[in-house]
Amino acid sequence: AQSVTQPDIHITVSEGASLELRCNYSYGATPYLFWYVQSPGQGLQLLLKYFSGDTLVQGIKGFEAEFKRSQSSFNLRKPSVHWSDAAEYFCAVGANDYKLSFGAGTTVTVRA
Amino acid sequence: NAGVTQTPKFQVLKTGQSMTLQCAQDMNHNSMYWYRQDPGMGLRLIYYSASEGTTDKGEVPNGYNVSRLNKREFSLRLESAAPSQTSVYFCASSQTGDSPLHFGNGTRLTVT
Repeated sequence: AQSVTQPDIHITVSEGASLELRCNYSYGATPYLFWYVQSPGQGLQLLLKYFSGDTLVQGIKGFEAEFKRSQSSFNLRKPSVHWSDAAEYFCAVGANDYKLSFGAGTTVTVRA
Repeated sequence: NAGVTQTPKFQVLKTGQSMTLQCAQDMNHNSMYWYRQDPGMGLRLIYYSASEGTTDKGEVPNGYNVSRLNKREFSLRLESAAPSQTSVYFCASSQTGDSPLHFGNGTRLTVT
């Protein structure tokens, strides 16, 4: 069965600093990988996705993620964080089977 | 565009009561999903409907039933609510089984 691990429950970062959120997955083949963001009281919004091809994926709001098959990882990065990036971030893994598995999430706090 | 609309936004039930959560999407998506979100556990799939006329169990289906009323609407029913069903419930839709999910804003359910 597929599974997703987000090792960091909570990260605090200063505005303007870089951000990296870790995601490790377990899956038999090359999965489809996603990052979603959730603002308080809202549903989840897609940041970016990886299906195949270039392992560095660009998303919305200045985020990018890199797929590393050898490490079973799909880490999310942003070079310079804005206060509006404070939210909860979820990594998800799936195949063409409708059963997307989500990690437990990482909460990002941005300090001024 | 409305996207995915869930009703109600909040609900409080007593143990043993029943209720139905409603979900509608206006993106002409084929597939619809119900997830529950609990602290520290990410999102877990309750049921999904790959296409109109079909429904299948996800990871945590016990205590729930679903109905795909038509292509737009997918409802979730709790026949006899239990405190363990206190959660935030999200409906989502997608075009296919490997497409990104589009989420509603959630229903916060408390069972006392």
